[in-house]
Amino acid sequence: GGIITQTPKFLIGQEGQKLTLKCQQNFNHDTMYWYRQDSGKGLRLIYYSITENDLQKGDLSEGYDASREKKSSFSLTVTSAQKNEMAVFLCASSIRDTYAEQFFGPGTRLTVL
Amino acid sequence: GEQVEQRPPHLSVREGDSAVIICTYTDPNSYYFFWYKQEPGAGLQLLMKVFSSTEINEGQGFTVLLNKKDKQLSLNLTAAHPGDSAVYFCAETSGGNYKPTFGKGTSLVVHP
Repeated sequence: GGIITQTPKFLIGQEGQKLTLKCQQNFNHDTMYWYRQDSGKGLRLIYYSITENDLQKGDLSEGYDASREKKSSFSLTVTSAQKNEMAVFLCASSIRDTYAEQFFGPGTRLTVL
Repeated sequence: GEQVEQRPPHLSVREGDSAVIICTYTDPNSYYFFWYKQEPGAGLQLLMKVFSSTEINEGQGFTVLLNKKDKQLSLNLTAAHPGDSAVYFCAETSGGNYKPTFGKGTSLVVHP
């Protein structure tokens, strides 16, 4: 088995601030994902990385940057936090296969004051 | 883009009752389907992965049905208990990319 760790668990920021969320996995998976979860809207894909040196935009990439530092880690940056924004950011990983199921971390809960 | 409609968004049942969640998908090329469970404060956890060639799958306390003709995927919890209370998501992929399509989730509450 393996585990996905997301840090921090809770993140409180100020409007306009640049905020970074981190994700680590020890599954030895090639592919990693960042999703945003808003109540009633399901999961929206922000960025994904098929292999260690790859970076792909998802459907909600505007306002975010991502970085795949190494095979086991994938970071997400909110470039300018929006006032009153509240969301959960979920990191996931999978084997390198378009049919593969994903393994999810516990999430980072963002609140912007 | 392709969509998955999941219903109902909220479901409340008594312990021992059945609970049914249905997803309707639009992509005729959808081939792999997933059901995930999300408990409070946690990430999504895979319940079951089904293939388009298999129509009925049984897990521990639940059944997944795939109706290819109507493009519907259902999750049936046969005798729900309070530990089943969670948000459930369906997802599908045609396998053409690394972007599975998720439903919007169903929040299930099972009352003792």
